[in-house]
Amino acid sequence: QKEVEQNSGPLSVPEGAIASLNCTYSDRGSQSFFWYRQYSGKSPELIMFIYSNGDKEDGRFTAQLNKASQYVSLLIRDSQPSDSATYLCAGGNLGGSQGNLIFGKGTKLSVKP
Amino acid sequence: SQTIHQWPATLVQPVGSPLSLECTVEGTSNPNLYWYRQAAGRGLQLLFYSVGIGQISSEVPQNLSASRPQDRQFILSSKKLLLSDSGFYLCAWNPPTSTDTQYFGPGTRLTVL
Repeated sequence: QKEVEQNSGPLSVPEGAIASLNCTYSDRGSQSFFWYRQYSGKSPELIMFIYSNGDKEDGRFTAQLNKASQYVSLLIRDSQPSDSATYLCAGGNLGGSQGNLIFGKGTKLSVKP
Repeated sequence: SQTIHQWPATLVQPVGSPLSLECTVEGTSNPNLYWYRQAAGRGLQLLFYSVGIGQISSEVPQNLSASRPQDRQFILSSKKLLLSDSGFYLCAWNPPTSTDTQYFGPGTRLTVL
């Protein structure tokens, strides 16, 4: 059974702090990993993807991947109240005839002003 | 630019009634298309995906079916809804050659009473 595990939270951080979201996955065949943000009642929106070990930075967001430990994380620097949402981690392989992603249940983040 | 549409946005149906949800993508050709369901307290569950017209792969056996009558149209159907079919139904797409993106439509919230 391929699984992606996330702490459901809620994770509460003060405005301006760093929020750290974590995720583990079971399928060693997964090549790509994604972080989505989902506001209440809305559909997920893609924040970042990562497929190489190490860090990948995009603005206030940094994704980290450690394939040996089967671990993915997302850091949000200078957290804002508008970052309050549920963050979904997903892993898998897209493209071709068998591509699909496995999603975690999400971590709810609350940024307090 | 590419856009993805879903309708209806919300739907309330009685148990045992039929279902038809539609998803269309604009601005691209031969997209990979996906149907997900997000039930309360659960993660995103992949239901079906399609890599081309008439090509449907089912991930979860249930009373739902999917069809792809046109290149950019994906339909989710049921002959008789169950209470357990309630949830947020999301259509997603990615370019067939892309391994690093998957975009979601706005979703359909289905309540079965």
